[in-house]
Amino acid sequence: NAGVTQTPKFQVLKTGQSMTLQCAQDMNHEYMSWYRQDPGMGLRLIHYSVGAGITDQGEVPNGYNVSRSTTEDFPLRLLSAAPSQTSVYFCASSYSSAGSNQPQHFGDGTRLSIL
Amino acid sequence: AQSVTQPDIHITVSEGASLELRCNYSYGATPYLFWYVQSPGQGLQLLLKYFSGDTLVQGIKGFEAEFKRSQSSFNLRKPSVHWSDAAEYFCVLSGGYNKLIFGAGTRLAVHP
Repeated sequence: NAGVTQTPKFQVLKTGQSMTLQCAQDMNHEYMSWYRQDPGMGLRLIHYSVGAGITDQGEVPNGYNVSRSTTEDFPLRLLSAAPSQTSVYFCASSYSSAGSNQPQHFGDGTRLSIL
Repeated sequence: AQSVTQPDIHITVSEGASLELRCNYSYGATPYLFWYVQSPGQGLQLLLKYFSGDTLVQGIKGFEAEFKRSQSSFNLRKPSVHWSDAAEYFCVLSGGYNKLIFGAGTRLAVHP
């Protein structure tokens, strides 16, 4: 059972480039989400999805797009990378929404640097 | 407003000493509260959770936390720290639909 798998683990981009961070889970979880982690700020919610075909914005959505075509996958797209998007990105999943008592299962993160 | 405060950014303890990490929350109703641990270069692992009932919650790795409604606190404790406990610890509030609120984290260092 792999849990939540994120790829790549590390990435360096130039300003203006685009890329997709991949996230896949094999637990049949309905709820998936993306967070970014910056020093001294904990984790902040970027986008989330409550099921295939349903996504919504979190606290810091600007500059990021998401889609959810299957239950298993929830990719995060940076359309035009900016240095302010340098961060560690975590994907998480749970059986139901984060507003319930279900703990989140986290991937190991993607460390992204924008030059 | 909903918020989580972890007053201590860094804490250093000696191996074998006791540990208490502080967490205060602001929320209008009974919250769901979690403690997660993040080892260097890793994702977050759930240590324990509080939903209702007993205010003293037992978790993995010998950790426990006590929910005190009167103080709006959910402090994490361990009676004897091991070198492998060195990590960053996050207190998390699940206060509303699809919204997790993280504290800024407390980084724990353990001296041999």
